[in-house]
Formats: sequence, structure tokens, C-alpha cells
Amino acid sequence: DAKTTQPTSMDCAEGRAANLPCNHSTISGNEYVYWYRQIHSQGPQYIIHGLKNNETNEMASLIITEDRKSSTLILPHATLRDTAVYYCVQTDSWGKLQFGAGTQVVVTP
Amino acid sequence: DGGITQSPKYLFRKEGQNVTLSCEQNLNHDAMYWYRQDPGQGLRLIYYSQIVNDFQKGDIAEGYSVSREKKESFPLTVTSAQKNPTAFYLCASGILETQYFGPGTRLLVL
Repeated sequence: DAKTTQPTSMDCAEGRAANLPCNHSTISGNEYVYWYRQIHSQGPQYIIHGLKNNETNEMASLIITEDRKSSTLILPHATLRDTAVYYCVQTDSWGKLQFGAGTQVVVTP
Repeated sequence: DGGITQSPKYLFRKEGQNVTLSCEQNLNHDAMYWYRQDPGQGLRLIYYSQIVNDFQKGDIAEGYSVSREKKESFPLTVTSAQKNPTAFYLCASGILETQYFGPGTRLLVL
């Protein structure tokens, strides 16, 4: 079973920042948090991952709380092409990714 | 171009028939994975392989089989024992937990 909790859906206006929350209260000290997104009927796309420090790449920023129990994925300037299901993913005790149902993000004009 | 390819895009299975889904990667990744996705749900792990000639069951392996004879290839067979095979099947390869996914195969039962 997935060990992360995300809102089912959220809307975002085009050009604005999208802030996607995730709770992972059971995460252990050496487990990373991964973010993927899945555009309808396509394979998931890797976005970013982090352990304890905030991370940024060309797609997004990842802010992890100091206690590591939650994180926020930030899409700085959402576009219509960012409409997708976003998965916050934690590993299980065997190191395998455990996907939940994710957050359906809809970017509107 | 480097990447992961899956074929076919759509596959139809008759009752009692085994079907095989293809997955090929040229990313030189040791690890490969098969997931199943049902409508409105997340991905569930079927099988994974961390090295050639070795593979392990995931969370929902019953009714499926795999082989890993080459680093580049990880085919999945959906056997007649899988009673509810209709789903979207995704293959991935990766390094540690960073995985890169193919475009998927949608399997439908006639």
C-alpha cells in the first residue's frame, strides 16, 4: 500500500505557481521522496526526488520539511501542458516505489 | 534516441489465451520493471529484474510471467490464469529508484 497522502485533485491558473502537497509521515531516515507525473494515457515521467535538502531542476522545485514528514512540489509557472496526475512516491522496505492514486492537477487558461 | 519502447500499443486477448507484451530499453539500465494500472488508480508492481537472468515477484505477480535473457529486453506474459487482465501495462527501467517509463500497452479482453 502507498505510504504517502495527497489531495485527490487541485486546479491551477495558467502562469501561476502550482504547489502540490504530500504527507509521508512514516518515511525513514534514508528513504527518498520521488515525484512523477502522468499525462493521460501515457507512461509516468520522472520529475524530481529528494532526501532532506530542497531540490530544484528544470521542471520543478521540491521543498521538504525539516522533520521530513511532508513535502511540496512546486511548478513555478504552470502551463496547460502541466495538466496531469502527480504522484508523490515513497519506497517500501525493499526499496521499491509504492504509487498511490496521486493528485489530478488541472491547469486552466 | 535513448528510451524505452513497448509494443503493441493495444492488445486484445481471448479467453484462455496467453499474450506477451514487449519491453525494450537502450538506456543501459540494469533494472527493469513491470507495472499494472487500473482506471483511476496508481501503479502496482508485477515483476522486476535487477540483473540479467534474475527477476523477482512484485505485489501482484499471480497470473503473470517474465523472462530476462538480455539486458535490453524484459517481456511480460499475461497467462490464462490472470482472470482480470484488462488494464494499462507499463514497463520501466532505472537506476536505483529513479525509473523511466515506456508509453504503455493497453490490454483488453474480447
